Amino acid sequence: DQQVKQNSPSLSVQEGRISILNCDYTNSMFDYFLWYKKYPAEGPTFLISISSIKDKNEDGRFTVFLNKSAKHLSLHIVPSQPGDSAVYFCAASDGSSNTGKLIFGQGTTLQVKP
Amino acid sequence: EAQVTQNPRYLITVTGKKLTVTCSQNMNHEYMSWYRQDPGLGLRQIYYSMNVEVTDKGDVPEGYKVSRKEKRNFPLILESPSPNQTSLYFCASSLSGWNSPLHFGNGTRLTVT
Repeated sequence: DQQVKQNSPSLSVQEGRISILNCDYTNSMFDYFLWYKKYPAEGPTFLISISSIKDKNEDGRFTVFLNKSAKHLSLHIVPSQPGDSAVYFCAASDGSSNTGKLIFGQGTTLQVKP
Repeated sequence: EAQVTQNPRYLITVTGKKLTVTCSQNMNHEYMSWYRQDPGLGLRQIYYSMNVEVTDKGDVPEGYKVSRKEKRNFPLILESPSPNQTSLYFCASSLSGWNSPLHFGNGTRLTVT
């Protein structure tokens, strides 16, 4: 049972436009969410995070939105750049469980065309 | 430079031949974890460690062992590898665990024939 789902395996956008990557989760106990970016032949790198007490977090061109009632989060990249082309993973954890478990989605491959 | 180092980067082995993938971090992080990445399945957690001598199972622990004898090292052991363990493996560490960003190594591509 996939508790964190990224239903779009791939996304293609034009340079300068907005990229929106989506992530759904099923466990209502999840209270901390993170996005990671992964280039080929490298490990994932942390991008941005959000706690369940917030509904939005912004860092430069990257904004994460959290809709707890819908169990949905999204990552917005504005404006998109060719260097943003990578695989993006969302991840979720349950802080109240006091464990180190972190659940990742399947990933979405973003291609930004010049 | 702050980093997580895993070795080897590539490994081809045969079924049943014990192997160890090493992982070391130089950031004095409490938390370390192993993941495997498979097409269509994303990153799945194998084992994690909240501190020295404290380890616990992730979502896919079968066929793997770990140990955390020192804070900086967290080796992944496959006692009797099988072809279904062919995968891309990542080690990661973070300051405190579930609510702090992970730093990943560059991965180990394992092929078991």
